[in-house]
Amino acid sequence: EVVLTQSPGTLSLSPGETATLSCRASQSVSSTYLAWYQQKPGQAPRLVIYSTSYRANGFPDRFGGSGSETDFTLTISRLEPEDFAVYYCQQYGTSPWTFGQGTRVEIK
Amino acid sequence: QVQLEESGPGLVKPSETLSLTCTVSDGSVRSGSYYWTWIRQPPGKGLEWIGYVYYSGSTSYNPSLKSRVTMSVDTSKNLVSLRLSSVTAADTAIYYCARVLLDYGDPWLFDLWGRGTLVSVSS
Repeated sequence: EVVLTQSPGTLSLSPGETATLSCRASQSVSSTYLAWYQQKPGQAPRLVIYSTSYRANGFPDRFGGSGSETDFTLTISRLEPEDFAVYYCQQYGTSPWTFGQGTRVEIK
Repeated sequence: QVQLEESGPGLVKPSETLSLTCTVSDGSVRSGSYYWTWIRQPPGKGLEWIGYVYYSGSTSYNPSLKSRVTMSVDTSKNLVSLRLSSVTAADTAIYYCARVLLDYGDPWLFDLWGRGTLVSVSS
C-alpha cells in the first residue's frame, strides 16, 4: 500500500500569505494519478488538483500543484478567506487508492 | 447537472450489514466512462477508499475491507450499491459516493461527489 504523509499537520497563516503543503509517498507515484482535495466542515471533499498539476473547475490560478515520484506540493498563493480548509492528497495509480491524513490550513 | 445522492439507514447494529445506495440523477450509471466509487470518513478523521464498481459489474476493493464489501450497479434504477457486512463501531463514518472519470480505461479524476451520509454502528 502506498502511504501518503502530509506535512505540516496544521498551517496557520494570514490572508494574503502563501500556503505550501507537502505530500510524500512511501513509493513512487505516477504524476498522472496524484490529486488534491479541499474539504470544509460539513462538506464533501472537492477536487482541487488532478494529475499533479491540473486545476479542477472552479479553482483560480492561485492554486498550483507540482512534484514527481515521491514528493508532491500544493501551493496556494495570496490566501483568501474561503481557502481556509483541510486539504488531502490522494494517489490512485496503485491499488488500494490511498489518501494522506490531511493538512489543515487555518487563519492565524 | 449530474448529482449523486447517498441514502440508507443512519444506524446499524454491530454484526449486521450496512447497506447504502447512491442514486445518480441526470446521468447514467451505464456509461463506460466512469468508475463509481465509495469512500468513507470517520467523524473528525481522514478519508479511506472502500472500492469501486464499473457499469459492467467489475469491482475493485480495498484489501482491508475486501472480505466484507460488496458493490453493485443497478442499471434499471440508475444507482450504485454498497454492502458492508459484520460491522463494528469502527465502521461508523460518513460514506461518500463519487464518480471517477476514466481516460482510456484508467482513472483520471474524481469529478463528482455526493454529499455523504453518516452511518453510526451502535446497539
